[in-house]
Amino acid sequence: GIQVEQSPPDLILQEGANSTLRCNFSDSVNNLQWFHQNPWGQLINLFYIPSGTKQNGRLSATTVATERYSLLYISSSQTTDSGVYFCAVEGNDYKLSFGAGTTVTVRA
Amino acid sequence: DGGITQSPKYLFRKEGQNVTLSCEQNLNHDAMYWYRQDPGQGLRLIYYSQIVNDFQKGDIAEGYSVSREKKESFPLTVTSAQKNPTAFYLCASTPAGTGHQPQHFGDGTRLSIL
Repeated sequence: GIQVEQSPPDLILQEGANSTLRCNFSDSVNNLQWFHQNPWGQLINLFYIPSGTKQNGRLSATTVATERYSLLYISSSQTTDSGVYFCAVEGNDYKLSFGAGTTVTVRA
Repeated sequence: DGGITQSPKYLFRKEGQNVTLSCEQNLNHDAMYWYRQDPGQGLRLIYYSQIVNDFQKGDIAEGYSVSREKKESFPLTVTSAQKNPTAFYLCASTPAGTGHQPQHFGDGTRLSIL
């Protein structure tokens, strides 16, 4: 399957700070999703972004498919942004491969 | 409301016992998936099904079995052959069995060994 690497593995932010999470992948993809996993384990869809740029409130994402990476931007972070952020990609086999995640802690 | 329902939320298994995790969706999605998550790690694919009465092994299928008799249901059985079943199990679905669509997830089942 496609290899997915996320960086950094851990991120500690002061409330109000901005941050960038990165996702590198090893092959061309047909689907790329960013998820937020909350402390109760719920996996929330943030973006479906195989290419291009999307924004949703304080979050935005950019995928550069030709260079095999995606970025997730968090602006004006809040304590509710804490959790684990996963990047997942799908190749031609319809199987989603996940990265190991970035654990974000936002301190008040 | 449409969504994916997993039950139970918590499940305990005795040694040598098979247990079945339920996943039901009312989204009219064709494809369904089962993932396993261990602490501090990402999700790994166990089994997936793109249409009724058909399913394929994922990356870690050993010790697990599934069935897909109805479009809305995709139960996962953790058999006694799975020697390390303690994990968080997530079910997902996507609209099309072919073509690339975003996956939507249930709230998960936590399985522990007694």
